[in-house]
Amino acid sequence: DTGVSQNPRHKITKRGQNVTFRCDPISEHNRLYWYRQTLGQGPEFLTYFQNEAQLEKSRLLSDRFSAERPKGSFSTLEIQRTEQGDSAMYLCASNLFIGSEAFFGQGTRLTVV
Amino acid sequence: GQQVMQIPQYQHVQEGEDFTTYCNSSTTLSNIQWYKQRPGGHPVFLIQLVKSGEVKKQKRLTFQFGEAKKNSSLHITATQTTDVGTYFCAGPRGSGGSNYKLTFGKGTLLTVNP
Repeated sequence: DTGVSQNPRHKITKRGQNVTFRCDPISEHNRLYWYRQTLGQGPEFLTYFQNEAQLEKSRLLSDRFSAERPKGSFSTLEIQRTEQGDSAMYLCASNLFIGSEAFFGQGTRLTVV
Repeated sequence: GQQVMQIPQYQHVQEGEDFTTYCNSSTTLSNIQWYKQRPGGHPVFLIQLVKSGEVKKQKRLTFQFGEAKKNSSLHITATQTTDVGTYFCAGPRGSGGSNYKLTFGKGTLLTVNP
């Protein structure tokens, strides 16, 4: 296992288009997180999965955002009707236990033009 | 809500000089984690501190957790160019079963002049 994998690494899209990102966590990790990071800021929590259950969704996520983890393995994050303010780095992380070391993927950098 | 603040925001040093970044939380933390993010990279876990007053060392890096578990510091002795990056502290938000969300500080960007 080579760690947390995210695809694509970069995505440029026109405003109003839909985009979907994928995250493959470390295989034995049942906890998966999505964070968003903008320039000069630390990562901000977006949502959390324990196995296939989405247990929390941040108020930062509007109704245009949806995340799934259908079989408790990989996860997808979809943004509908993208806006310029959605431009950011979207980071996925996973860990084994609550409060333990989080392993981050390399992120997907989204640019909305 | 819980806030985690870091100072300084930027630090530029000459290679060989020491560096310290400070982290303060508005609430008591059950633990604090430190991450390093290289330019263009992703956050990489460095260490977790759990106990009040805890001090941990990793080679040239020394981490401290305050007695009140509301502040922490990272000190690097004799910086090297490989230390360049942004150092983040992060504390879990919530307690018990909701102790999974990390609140990150804005980070301290360290640059090292060779």
